[in-house]
Amino acid sequence: GAVVSQHPSWVICKSGTSVKIECRSLDFQATTMFWYRQFPKQSLMLMATSNEGSKATYEQGVEKDKFLINHASLTLSTLTVTSAHPEDSSFYICSAPLPRDYGYTFGSGTRLTVV
Amino acid sequence: AQTVTQSQPEMSVQEAETVTLSCTYDTSESDYYLFWYKQPPSRQMILVIRQEAYKQQNATENRFSVNFQKAAKSFSLKISDSQLGDAAMYFCAYASLNTGNQFYFGTGTSLTVIP
Repeated sequence: GAVVSQHPSWVICKSGTSVKIECRSLDFQATTMFWYRQFPKQSLMLMATSNEGSKATYEQGVEKDKFLINHASLTLSTLTVTSAHPEDSSFYICSAPLPRDYGYTFGSGTRLTVV
Repeated sequence: AQTVTQSQPEMSVQEAETVTLSCTYDTSESDYYLFWYKQPPSRQMILVIRQEAYKQQNATENRFSVNFQKAAKSFSLKISDSQLGDAAMYFCAYASLNTGNQFYFGTGTSLTVIP
């Protein structure tokens, strides 16, 4: 139980275009979703925290206008990378707190390549 | 802010042997959770083991156990009878009970299992 489905698993886009990444909680309601970015062989860096029905909270140094986060329902949170550039190429992972236990479940990640 | 330190970027172990991965953290809080996550080449984050700070007994999950030293702020992971499938990046993580379920990840340890 407590699965977060993340799509797409990989995407290649042209510079200047926008890409949307979705994370859905399949069998529970996720009022909170964390969005991470991970560079090769590095740790996960928290980008922002989304809460259903309110504005996302961004970590220092993360551009709000570039990384648009929407948490429109209790089962869906989206991250849109706007006007993507090659330096936005990375691995993006979402995570939600477990509903009935203390811990977190992670999406399978999205590998974004901007060419 | 809490910090999590993993001082071993890379470790290797012979198959069937035991290996210990180190983790230290810095916090002024008394209640928190500590986790070890495994990230294989698929990059899916997999929970290995969890420790509640208020519990003195060290957590154990089959071949995985921790040595939790609260006063020393140390949380090492011991893998016994290492298997080839244990090869992965291992992340130590701290979760505060006071800051909206946020995770603080260590930098990771890459574990190689030698057949």
